[in-house]
Amino acid sequence: DADVTQTPRNRITKTGKRIMLECSQTKGHDRMYWYRQDPGLGLRLIYYSFDVKDINKGEISDGYSVSRQAQAKFSLSLESAIPNQTALYFCATRSGSEQYFGPGTRLTVT
Amino acid sequence: AQSVAQPEDQVNVAEGNPLTVKCTYSVSGNPYLFWYVQYPNRGLQFLLKYITGDNLVKGSYGFEAEFNKSQTSFHLKKPSALVSDSALYFCAVRDLTGANNLFFGTGTRLTVIP
Repeated sequence: DADVTQTPRNRITKTGKRIMLECSQTKGHDRMYWYRQDPGLGLRLIYYSFDVKDINKGEISDGYSVSRQAQAKFSLSLESAIPNQTALYFCATRSGSEQYFGPGTRLTVT
Repeated sequence: AQSVAQPEDQVNVAEGNPLTVKCTYSVSGNPYLFWYVQYPNRGLQFLLKYITGDNLVKGSYGFEAEFNKSQTSFHLKKPSALVSDSALYFCAVRDLTGANNLFFGTGTRLTVIP
């Protein structure tokens, strides 16, 4: 997990605020992902990026945006946070058939 | 469309007993199947995968999984459970069209009772 880091680890914010979650990796992988985890729903893909110039929407991208600042950095933004975006957010990288996950960011929107 | 189902939200097993965590899949074509484990306050960790070949796949921490094409299942197993195996387990299938992304099941919480 240390190869994929996420900041912050925990965040409480208010409805309507803009918030950014950051992900960095030292694995040198081109492919990066953002997921959210909700109890009983498993992990759902928000956005994914195959390289700095290739960013794609996942199954639940509404209300989110991303930025791939460099091969090693992939940020997720909530433009105007709402309570149903309260969840655990994971960043991941991929090499071959395996994905490598960060430790997660627990976000609470009040 | 690809999908996986984990029919049990919770599995309890006594320490030392064999454990099974169930997963069924729905894909068009040959499936690429995965198991991941999530320990408390940690990200998901890869356990094992089935791409092709032997139906019994061995992975990390003594886990194995059996691919059964006729039953469209990929159950995770371990002969003797440890208390430290208590965690959340996710089955996943790869989307073989275009992006090759993973689709995850809803997860099964395994509790090993001392």
